[in-house]
Amino acid sequence: KNQVEQSPQSLIILEGKNCTLQCNYTVSPFSNLRWYKQDTGRGPVSLTIMTFSENTKSNGRYTATLDADTKQSSLHITASQLSDSASYICVVSANGQNFVFGPGTRLSVLP
Amino acid sequence: GAVVSQHPSWVICKSGTSVKIECRSLDFQATTMFWYRQFPKQSLMLMATSNEGSKATYEQGVEKDKFLINHASLTLSTLTVTSAHPEDSSFYICSTSPPRLTTGELFFGEGSRLTVL
Repeated sequence: KNQVEQSPQSLIILEGKNCTLQCNYTVSPFSNLRWYKQDTGRGPVSLTIMTFSENTKSNGRYTATLDADTKQSSLHITASQLSDSASYICVVSANGQNFVFGPGTRLSVLP
Repeated sequence: GAVVSQHPSWVICKSGTSVKIECRSLDFQATTMFWYRQFPKQSLMLMATSNEGSKATYEQGVEKDKFLINHASLTLSTLTVTSAHPEDSSFYICSTSPPRLTTGELFFGEGSRLTVL
């Protein structure tokens, strides 16, 4: 069964600190993996996309990693800001058309 | 700019009335659109897949007669919540993916918050 799991379920950190969110998946055949940021009451916005051959990709203070062998991905946020408070959703695509969503990690950045 | 536009952003209606939510693909022709529902502090739940020119495919547990989906054109899909009740109050989001593009790019609308009194 195609599944995406994320951990932790929620996370609270202080402004300026770093954090890492995890995504484990059992999706086959694997096409790509995306991290989305969803602010409260808004639609998700894409942060990064990782294909099978990519190990690391950065987008500003966001760095995603992918280990296709262990089927794990992480999203590292550096020097967190208050505006980083949001839900982060891991979405794995099978064949580029079927999308399996993770439950998300709710991040709260406190001043 | 926005690739997918949703309207309205929020709507309040009386119990028993029907509400229509529109999802427009602005930059490309979308043969497939996805509709999700999201309750507070919960993850996105896929409700149905809307296919242009054919019937929508509903996920298990989603009442197709209550959540009517129409995808009459390549740029517009609508979700109509019929005879809405307070338990239908939720955040509804649509998404779409460019056709013939296998990168798995999903573009989401801004969402529509429905409150049923």
